[in-house]
Amino acid sequence: DSGVTQTPKHLITATGQRVTLRCSPRSGDLSVYWYQQSLDQGLQFLIQYYNGEERAKGNILERFSAQQFPDLHSELNLSSLELGDSALYFCASSVAAENTEAFFGQGTRLTVV
Amino acid sequence: LAKTTQPISMDSYEGQEVNITCSHNNIATNDYITWYQQFPSQGPRFIIQGYKTKVTNEVASLFIPADRKSSTLSLPRVSLSDTAVYYCLVRGGTASKLTFGTGTRLQVTL
Repeated sequence: DSGVTQTPKHLITATGQRVTLRCSPRSGDLSVYWYQQSLDQGLQFLIQYYNGEERAKGNILERFSAQQFPDLHSELNLSSLELGDSALYFCASSVAAENTEAFFGQGTRLTVV
Repeated sequence: LAKTTQPISMDSYEGQEVNITCSHNNIATNDYITWYQQFPSQGPRFIIQGYKTKVTNEVASLFIPADRKSSTLSLPRVSLSDTAVYYCLVRGGTASKLTFGTGTRLQVTL
């Protein structure tokens, strides 16, 4: 158990809909990362937050947004969903913004039908 | 941003030592080298990290030559449960992203 909690574990929704994925980082970790992994694809870095502020941005679509709240949990919002958004979405956390050791959650499997 | 290159796949028999090499020619002075392991449908797991020479923990060893342009992850006596994808990452400084490459898919068989 990495200490990072992601909910829900599975999500099935229709095209055009909007969903919110939630991540609770390890106790004491200030940095949260979001990744997308499609079937048999690599991990695509989406965005990083540190202590409530956006720290780094990857190839995150404009239809996607994220935030980190004062209690350090984070949410990833995906809107106008398309079939191609079906993927595993991972959240990770680390103590500091530039740590190379990050702890990953078990992921949320999103299926868009 | 330092780019990494590693073999797409490797095969090994159980009980053998496996060495996976990662190339990172434009590594910066403040970059660390980190390796992760990922099983299917699970989040990656940190294995080991190093800056130079050799680092060893209970799971693996990491060898980094003096020029730091490559690194080798060594897994002693692999078992079937070591079948996974192994990622090499290079990262340093506050501006760099925790970016994963394509990884090396290791298949261990009897």
